[in-house]
Amino acid sequence: QLQLQESGSGLVKPSQTLSLTCAVSGDSISSGGYSWSWIRQTPGKGLEWIGDISHTGDTYYNSSLESRVTISIDRSENHFSLRLSSMTAADTAVYYCASLFLRRYFDYWGQGTLVTVSS
Amino acid sequence: QSALTQPRSVSGSPGQSVTFSCTGTSSDIGYYDYVSWYRRHPGQAPHLMIFDVNQRPSGVPDRFSGSKSGNTASLTISGLQADDEAEYYCCSYAGGSWVFGTGTKVTVL
Repeated sequence: QLQLQESGSGLVKPSQTLSLTCAVSGDSISSGGYSWSWIRQTPGKGLEWIGDISHTGDTYYNSSLESRVTISIDRSENHFSLRLSSMTAADTAVYYCASLFLRRYFDYWGQGTLVTVSS
Repeated sequence: QSALTQPRSVSGSPGQSVTFSCTGTSSDIGYYDYVSWYRRHPGQAPHLMIFDVNQRPSGVPDRFSGSKSGNTASLTISGLQADDEAEYYCCSYAGGSWVFGTGTKVTVL
Protein backbone atom coordinates (compact mmCIF):
# COMPACT_ATOMS: atom_id res chain seq x y z
CA GLN A 1 0.00 0.00 0.00
CA LEU A 2 1.01 3.58 -0.48
CA GLN A 3 2.72 5.64 2.18
CA LEU A 4 2.95 9.41 2.02
CA GLN A 5 5.09 11.72 4.14
CA GLU A 6 5.09 15.50 4.15
CA SER A 7 8.18 17.60 4.77
CA GLY A 8 9.05 21.26 4.56
CA SER A 9 8.99 24.56 6.34
CA GLY A 10 6.88 24.61 9.52
CA LEU A 11 7.21 28.34 10.12
CA VAL A 12 6.68 30.88 7.37
CA LYS A 13 6.81 34.66 7.61
CA PRO A 14 3.89 36.70 6.29
CA SER A 15 4.11 37.42 2.56
CA GLN A 16 6.63 34.60 2.05
CA THR A 17 6.12 31.40 0.08
CA LEU A 18 5.37 28.01 1.64
CA SER A 19 7.17 25.01 0.17
CA LEU A 20 6.16 21.46 1.09
CA THR A 21 7.10 18.11 -0.39
CA CYS A 22 5.28 14.81 -0.18
CA ALA A 23 7.38 11.67 -0.54
CA VAL A 24 5.51 8.69 -1.96
CA SER A 25 6.55 5.12 -1.26
CA GLY A 26 4.97 1.79 -2.07
CA ASP A 27 4.42 2.56 -5.75
CA SER A 28 5.62 4.81 -8.54
CA ILE A 29 4.21 8.30 -8.57
CA SER A 30 3.75 7.78 -12.31
CA SER A 31 1.33 4.88 -11.79
CA GLY A 32 -1.79 5.28 -13.81
CA GLY A 33 -4.99 5.94 -11.92
CA TYR A 34 -3.53 8.19 -9.27
CA SER A 35 -3.53 11.93 -8.82
CA TRP A 36 -1.63 13.59 -5.99
CA SER A 37 -3.35 16.07 -3.73
CA TRP A 38 -2.81 18.70 -1.09
CA ILE A 39 -5.45 19.32 1.55
CA ARG A 40 -5.31 21.53 4.63
CA GLN A 41 -7.17 22.05 7.87
CA THR A 42 -7.14 25.49 9.42
CA PRO A 43 -7.62 25.85 13.19
CA GLY A 44 -11.23 25.32 14.16
CA LYS A 45 -12.32 24.66 10.60
CA GLY A 46 -12.87 21.66 8.41
CA LEU A 47 -10.77 20.28 5.62
CA GLU A 48 -10.07 22.31 2.49
CA TRP A 49 -8.90 20.85 -0.81
CA ILE A 50 -6.00 22.91 -2.18
CA GLY A 51 -5.40 21.14 -5.47
CA ASP A 52 -3.95 18.10 -7.16
CA ILE A 53 -1.75 16.95 -10.00
CA SER A 54 -2.39 13.91 -12.17
CA HIS A 55 0.24 11.31 -12.97
CA THR A 56 0.47 12.97 -16.40
CA GLY A 57 1.11 16.41 -14.88
CA ASP A 58 -2.31 18.02 -15.30
CA THR A 59 -3.09 20.32 -12.39
CA TYR A 60 -6.37 21.28 -10.72
CA TYR A 61 -6.59 24.02 -8.11
CA ASN A 62 -9.14 25.36 -5.65
CA SER A 63 -10.41 28.53 -7.28
CA SER A 64 -10.03 30.47 -4.03
CA LEU A 65 -6.29 29.71 -3.93
CA GLU A 66 -5.48 29.32 -7.62
CA SER A 67 -3.61 32.60 -7.99
CA ARG A 68 -1.15 31.58 -5.26
CA VAL A 69 -0.76 27.81 -5.70
CA THR A 70 1.63 25.67 -7.69
CA ILE A 71 1.71 21.88 -7.46
CA SER A 72 4.46 20.02 -9.24
CA ILE A 73 5.65 16.45 -9.58
CA ASP A 74 9.18 15.02 -9.55
CA ARG A 75 9.15 11.53 -11.03
CA SER A 76 12.85 10.90 -10.44
CA GLU A 77 12.43 11.52 -6.72
CA ASN A 78 8.95 9.98 -6.53
CA HIS A 79 7.55 13.01 -4.78
CA PHE A 80 5.28 15.95 -5.44
CA SER A 81 5.37 19.47 -4.07
CA LEU A 82 3.25 22.41 -3.05
CA ARG A 83 4.15 26.07 -3.24
CA LEU A 84 1.76 28.64 -1.78
CA SER A 85 2.79 32.25 -2.14
CA SER A 86 1.88 35.44 -0.26
CA MET A 87 1.21 33.58 2.95
CA THR A 88 -0.90 35.22 5.66
CA ALA A 89 -2.04 34.18 9.12
CA ALA A 90 -5.17 32.75 7.50
CA ASP A 91 -2.97 30.12 5.86
CA THR A 92 -1.85 28.71 9.21
CA ALA A 93 -3.03 25.11 9.05
CA VAL A 94 -2.13 21.44 9.10
CA TYR A 95 -1.23 20.54 5.53
CA TYR A 96 -1.85 16.98 4.31
CA CYS A 97 -0.82 15.26 1.14
CA ALA A 98 -3.04 12.48 -0.14
CA SER A 99 -3.46 10.15 -3.08
CA LEU A 100 -6.58 10.59 -5.17
CA PHE A 101 -7.63 7.34 -6.81
CA LEU A 102 -9.24 7.57 -10.25
CA ARG A 103 -10.27 11.11 -9.26
CA ARG A 104 -12.93 9.57 -7.03
CA TYR A 105 -11.63 9.44 -3.47
CA PHE A 106 -8.58 10.11 -1.30
CA ASP A 107 -7.39 6.67 -0.26
CA TYR A 108 -4.05 7.33 1.45
CA TRP A 109 -3.00 10.33 3.49
CA GLY A 110 0.20 11.62 5.02
CA GLN A 111 0.34 12.34 8.73
CA GLY A 112 0.09 16.07 8.13
CA THR A 113 2.47 18.89 8.90
CA LEU A 114 1.66 22.03 10.88
CA VAL A 115 2.51 25.26 9.11
CA THR A 116 2.41 28.46 11.13
CA VAL A 117 2.52 31.89 9.55
CA SER A 118 4.16 34.34 11.91
CA SER A 119 6.82 37.01 11.88
CA GLN B 1 -17.26 26.38 -3.03
CA SER B 2 -18.96 26.29 0.35
CA ALA B 3 -18.19 23.51 2.78
CA LEU B 4 -20.69 20.70 3.10
CA THR B 5 -22.79 20.98 6.26
CA GLN B 6 -22.48 18.36 8.97
CA PRO B 7 -23.82 18.34 12.54
CA ARG B 8 -21.12 19.41 14.95
CA SER B 9 -21.49 16.36 17.17
CA VAL B 10 -23.44 13.18 17.74
CA SER B 11 -23.19 10.63 20.53
CA GLY B 12 -24.30 7.12 21.36
CA SER B 13 -23.73 4.30 23.79
CA PRO B 14 -21.68 1.23 22.90
CA GLY B 15 -23.69 -1.11 20.72
CA GLN B 16 -26.07 1.59 19.52
CA SER B 17 -26.28 3.04 16.04
CA VAL B 18 -25.69 6.63 15.04
CA THR B 19 -26.47 8.29 11.73
CA PHE B 20 -25.40 11.74 10.71
CA SER B 21 -25.82 13.81 7.63
CA CYS B 22 -23.75 15.75 5.15
CA THR B 23 -25.69 18.36 3.19
CA GLY B 24 -24.47 19.88 -0.01
CA THR B 25 -26.04 21.23 -3.18
CA SER B 26 -27.19 20.10 -6.58
CA SER B 27 -23.68 20.94 -7.85
CA ASP B 28 -21.87 18.45 -5.65
CA ILE B 29 -23.62 15.71 -3.66
CA GLY B 30 -26.81 16.06 -5.66
CA TYR B 31 -25.04 15.67 -8.98
CA TYR B 32 -22.14 13.27 -8.44
CA ASP B 33 -21.91 9.87 -6.79
CA TYR B 34 -18.34 10.56 -5.67
CA VAL B 35 -19.14 10.98 -1.98
CA SER B 36 -16.59 9.68 0.50
CA TRP B 37 -16.26 9.65 4.27
CA TYR B 38 -13.11 9.91 6.40
CA ARG B 39 -12.47 9.19 10.05
CA ARG B 40 -9.80 11.05 11.93
CA HIS B 41 -8.59 10.19 15.38
CA PRO B 42 -6.83 13.05 17.21
CA GLY B 43 -3.31 13.57 15.93
CA GLN B 44 -3.69 11.03 13.15
CA ALA B 45 -4.21 11.23 9.41
CA PRO B 46 -7.74 10.94 8.02
CA HIS B 47 -8.70 7.39 7.08
CA LEU B 48 -11.03 6.46 4.22
CA MET B 49 -14.16 4.73 5.51
CA ILE B 50 -16.64 4.96 2.60
CA PHE B 51 -16.21 5.84 -1.08
CA ASP B 52 -18.60 6.24 -4.02
CA VAL B 53 -21.49 6.94 -1.58
CA ASN B 54 -21.79 3.44 -0.13
CA GLN B 55 -18.68 1.37 -0.89
CA ARG B 56 -16.38 0.16 1.86
CA PRO B 57 -12.64 -0.20 1.31
CA SER B 58 -11.18 -3.54 2.33
CA GLY B 59 -10.56 -3.62 6.05
CA VAL B 60 -13.43 -1.31 6.98
CA PRO B 61 -16.05 -3.26 8.96
CA ASP B 62 -19.58 -3.55 7.64
CA ARG B 63 -20.76 -1.62 10.69
CA PHE B 64 -20.08 1.45 8.56
CA SER B 65 -22.52 2.23 5.79
CA GLY B 66 -23.20 5.20 3.57
CA SER B 67 -26.17 6.46 1.60
CA LYS B 68 -27.37 9.45 -0.35
CA SER B 69 -30.70 11.10 -1.08
CA GLY B 70 -30.87 14.25 -3.13
CA ASN B 71 -28.31 16.74 -1.88
CA THR B 72 -27.71 14.92 1.41
CA ALA B 73 -25.40 12.02 2.17
CA SER B 74 -25.43 10.07 5.41
CA LEU B 75 -23.07 7.85 7.35
CA THR B 76 -24.37 5.21 9.73
CA ILE B 77 -22.23 3.49 12.33
CA SER B 78 -23.87 0.40 13.78
CA GLY B 79 -22.78 -1.41 16.92
CA LEU B 80 -20.90 1.62 18.18
CA GLN B 81 -17.49 0.83 19.67
CA ALA B 82 -15.07 2.89 21.73
CA ASP B 83 -12.64 3.15 18.82
CA ASP B 84 -15.34 4.81 16.72
CA GLU B 85 -14.95 7.95 18.81
CA ALA B 86 -13.37 10.36 16.34
CA GLU B 87 -14.12 13.16 13.89
CA TYR B 88 -15.80 12.21 10.63
CA TYR B 89 -15.67 14.24 7.44
CA CYS B 90 -17.65 13.83 4.27
CA CYS B 91 -16.32 14.84 0.89
CA SER B 92 -17.86 15.28 -2.54
CA TYR B 93 -16.63 15.92 -6.04
CA ALA B 94 -17.96 19.24 -7.29
CA GLY B 95 -17.00 19.23 -10.93
CA GLY B 96 -13.29 19.96 -11.20
CA SER B 97 -12.85 20.48 -7.47
CA TRP B 98 -13.49 18.77 -4.15
CA VAL B 99 -15.43 20.02 -1.16
CA PHE B 100 -15.29 18.66 2.36
CA GLY B 101 -17.78 18.73 5.19
CA THR B 102 -17.45 20.74 8.36
CA GLY B 103 -16.86 17.59 10.40
CA THR B 104 -18.87 15.64 12.99
CA LYS B 105 -17.46 14.64 16.37
CA VAL B 106 -18.74 11.20 17.34
CA THR B 107 -18.68 10.55 21.06
CA VAL B 108 -19.14 7.09 22.52
CA LEU B 109 -20.80 7.51 25.89
